[in-house]
Amino acid sequence: GNSVTQMEGPVTLSEEAFLTINCTYTATGYPSLFWYVQYPGEGLQLLLKATKADDKGSNKGFEATYRKETTSFHLEKGSVQVSDSAVYFCALTRGSYIPTFGRGTSLIVHP
Amino acid sequence: KAGVTQTPRYLIKTRGQQVTLSCSPISGHRSVSWYQQTPGQGLQFLFEYFSETQRNKGNFPGRFSGRQFSNSRSEMNVSTLELGDSALYLCASSLQGSSTEAFFGQGTRLTVV
Repeated sequence: GNSVTQMEGPVTLSEEAFLTINCTYTATGYPSLFWYVQYPGEGLQLLLKATKADDKGSNKGFEATYRKETTSFHLEKGSVQVSDSAVYFCALTRGSYIPTFGRGTSLIVHP
Repeated sequence: KAGVTQTPRYLIKTRGQQVTLSCSPISGHRSVSWYQQTPGQGLQFLFEYFSETQRNKGNFPGRFSGRQFSNSRSEMNVSTLELGDSALYLCASSLQGSSTEAFFGQGTRLTVV
C-alpha cells in the first residue's frame, strides 16, 4: 500500500535559518504529492503540491521538488520566520481519492 | 468563497454517551472525508462520502458512522464513547479525483471524560 515517511520532530531553528523537512514515499506509479501545514488550534491547509515527476511546488517561500528517482518530496525554505512555527504534513494520493499522510513534523522557530 | 465549516468546535462528553459532529463543505464540493487526529496515532482516515454514498472507509470500529446529505453536508456519529475517542476530528472536502487537493475545516475537539 501507499505510505509516507517524514523526519521526526520537533525541528527547532532560529529565525532566518534554512529549513529542510524530509519526506519520502512508497507508492506504485506516479502519485500526486502535497505538503499541508497545521497552525496551533487549526485544521490543515494546503501549502504546496506537485503532480508529476520533476515538478516543483512553491508557496509563501516554501518549495518542494517531486523526485521520482529517490521517491522524495523534501520541503525547504531559505529563511524561516517565527510565524512559520507549525506542524507540517507530507501526503500523497494515488489510485484513491484519500490522501495518505505522514505523521507530521513540528517546526519551532525562535526569534 | 466560504471554507469548510465544522460544528461544534469543542465538545465534552461522558463515557458511554454518543455524539454527532457536523461538517459543511465548500460549495460545489461533493466529497467529504473525516479524520481523527491524536498525538499518538497522528492523522487517521475514518471514511469518505461522495454524493451521499460512502466511497471509502478506514479501519475504525462500527461505533463510528457517518452520512452525507443531498446538499453535501456531512455528519459523523460516534456511539458508546470511550476515553480513547478523545481527539481532534477533522473534516475535509474536495471536488473529486486523486490529484485534487483537500480543504480542511478547523476541526471539532472532542473530550471524553
